[in-house]
Amino acid sequence: DAGVTQSPTHLIKTRGQHVTLRCSPISGHKSVSWYQQVLGQGPQFIFQYYEKEERGRGNFPDRFSARQFPNYSSELNVNALLLGDSALYLCASSPRTVLDEQFFGPGTRLTVL
Amino acid sequence: RKEVEQDPGPFNVPEGATVAFNCTYSNSASQSFFWYRQDCRKEPKLLMSVYSSGNEDGRFTAQLNRASQYISLLIRDSKLSDSATYLCVVLGPSGTYKYIFGTGTRLKVLA
Repeated sequence: DAGVTQSPTHLIKTRGQHVTLRCSPISGHKSVSWYQQVLGQGPQFIFQYYEKEERGRGNFPDRFSARQFPNYSSELNVNALLLGDSALYLCASSPRTVLDEQFFGPGTRLTVL
Repeated sequence: RKEVEQDPGPFNVPEGATVAFNCTYSNSASQSFFWYRQDCRKEPKLLMSVYSSGNEDGRFTAQLNRASQYISLLIRDSKLSDSATYLCVVLGPSGTYKYIFGTGTRLKVLA
């Protein structure tokens, strides 16, 4: 069975640009969460979606937005990129809500120049 | 004060040693607790959930002390393959749907 997949694997952008990251959950999983992991730190929670509705939001500015599609895949959008947005962006899926074990994808490594 | 705090290490131990990691959390209403393992430049993977009664999985033992708000992980008979970063994870209060990760503790097991 395929695990959580994310695309692209790596991405280089410049300040001010916007970026869209994509995530496909494990088949049958209805919940997707997004995390930002800066080097040397633990993942920081950005969003959680369940059944296409936002269920949780972390302490990130409005430049960060996300959505979940009918097939439960998800996109994370970041506008007006800053140097500090450079990080590994992780997507995690779980069968129902975050109360279930979360399975992480390999991440998208974003570099902002 | 950080919501979840861990000693970042690194912990350098010889093969066969026993090593313990602690983690403290600030919100007494936190629901659930976990240890994840993250290898270098890889995604985190669930190691074990942590229950008030304590739980054991082979060489790994996790404990939760709600009164003192800390979680521990004990690794016995360390293997080279245990070298990784161990992340303490706390699920926030009911209704928050938010996993809070610690910064992680780096473990290096030496031959």
